[in-house]
Amino acid sequence: AQSVAQPEDQVNVAEGNPLTVKCTYSVSGNPYLFWYVQYPNRGLQFLLKYITGDNLVKGSYGFEAEFNKSQTSFHLKKPSALVSDSALYFCAVRSSGGYQKVTFGTGTKLQVIP
Amino acid sequence: NAGVTQTPKFRILKIGQSMTLQCAQDMNHNYMYWYRQDPGMGLKLIYYSVGAGITDKGEVPNGYNVSRSTTEDFPLRLELAAPSQTSVYFCASSGGTATTPVNYEQYFGPGTRLTVT
Repeated sequence: AQSVAQPEDQVNVAEGNPLTVKCTYSVSGNPYLFWYVQYPNRGLQFLLKYITGDNLVKGSYGFEAEFNKSQTSFHLKKPSALVSDSALYFCAVRSSGGYQKVTFGTGTKLQVIP
Repeated sequence: NAGVTQTPKFRILKIGQSMTLQCAQDMNHNYMYWYRQDPGMGLKLIYYSVGAGITDKGEVPNGYNVSRSTTEDFPLRLELAAPSQTSVYFCASSGGTATTPVNYEQYFGPGTRLTVT
């Protein structure tokens, strides 16, 4: 069975500092990996994905994520945090090929402190 | 292009009542999904569809039913509502069109907050 772990329920970072939100996964075969963001009382919004190719993927709003196959990780990063980045972040994984179920992590609340 | 729309935004049901949550998408996506989100639990897949006329169960289908008569619409039916169905429900869709045959990221609606008392 596939799974996603987001080990931190909450991450606090000062505005202007770099941020990292951690994600590790378990899946059979090649993984497709995703990050989504959820603002209060809103649906999830897609940020970025890793399908194949370069291990460093860039996404919306200056976010990027690094795929590390040996560590089965896909951490979300941003060089300089903004107060407006405060939200709930979800990592998700699915196996490649055809229709495959997506498994979401439990989410990490990012709080950027002014 | 409205994306994924859901109605209603909020609903309060009494135990034993029934209702239908509506979901529509205008992106011509083949794949559609229903999730529920409970605090601290992430998203759980209720039902999904890979195209009109084709639906299948997800992780937590008990107490729910779906239909997919058109590509655009994917309603979720709650029969005999129970307090355990109090949750926020999200509909989503993803690719698998003639021009985008692969199925990658999902696009989510704004959600329906349901309370059963």
